[in-house]
Amino acid sequence: DSGVTQTPKHLITATGQRVTLRCSPRSGDLSVYWYQQSLDQGLQFLIQYYNGEERAKGNILERFSAQQFPDLHSELNLSSLELGDSALYFCASSFLDRASEAFFGQGTRLTVV
Amino acid sequence: GESVGLHLPTLSVQEGDNSIINCAYSNSASDYFIWYKQESGKGPQFIIDIRSNMDKRQGQRVTVLLNKTVKHLSLQIAATQPGDSAVYFCAENPRTFYNTDKLIFGTGTRLQVFP
Repeated sequence: DSGVTQTPKHLITATGQRVTLRCSPRSGDLSVYWYQQSLDQGLQFLIQYYNGEERAKGNILERFSAQQFPDLHSELNLSSLELGDSALYFCASSFLDRASEAFFGQGTRLTVV
Repeated sequence: GESVGLHLPTLSVQEGDNSIINCAYSNSASDYFIWYKQESGKGPQFIIDIRSNMDKRQGQRVTVLLNKTVKHLSLQIAATQPGDSAVYFCAENPRTFYNTDKLIFGTGTRLQVFP
């Protein structure tokens, strides 16, 4: 158990809908990273927050957004969902602003039908 | 591009044999590399890392080799065990962001260990 908690574990929704994925980082970690893992794209960095502020952006679509709250948990919002958004979404957390030291959660499997 | 799942290269080894998993990275400016293990239904887990000023680093039953000349990374697992069955990813840190590192993951390889 990495200490990073993601909910829900599985999510099935229809195209056009909006979903929110939640991540609770390890106790004391200030940085949260979101990754998308799909069959044809591998593991892709989406966005990072550090102590409540956006720190770095990767290949995140405009339909997607995220935030980190004062208690340091983070949410990834996916809207106007398309079939191609079906993937595993991972959250990782680290104490410092270093992705290389992050621990990953078990992921949320999103299926868009 | 990167691929996992159906398009994933697979390495099948017999229990007790040594495994070698390879990875080609893209950015010659990358100065830090990590190998991750991802078991079914779990997130990636750190195995071992290496900095660009080294060409070899050893851990417990694992060794990472770095060849900067050809931008190649390998992970060697000694005496492979059934519990080593997983997908293995390399990741590079291209240092494109000031004071922030952002990992770029390479193509995963599925390791299957048979008795």
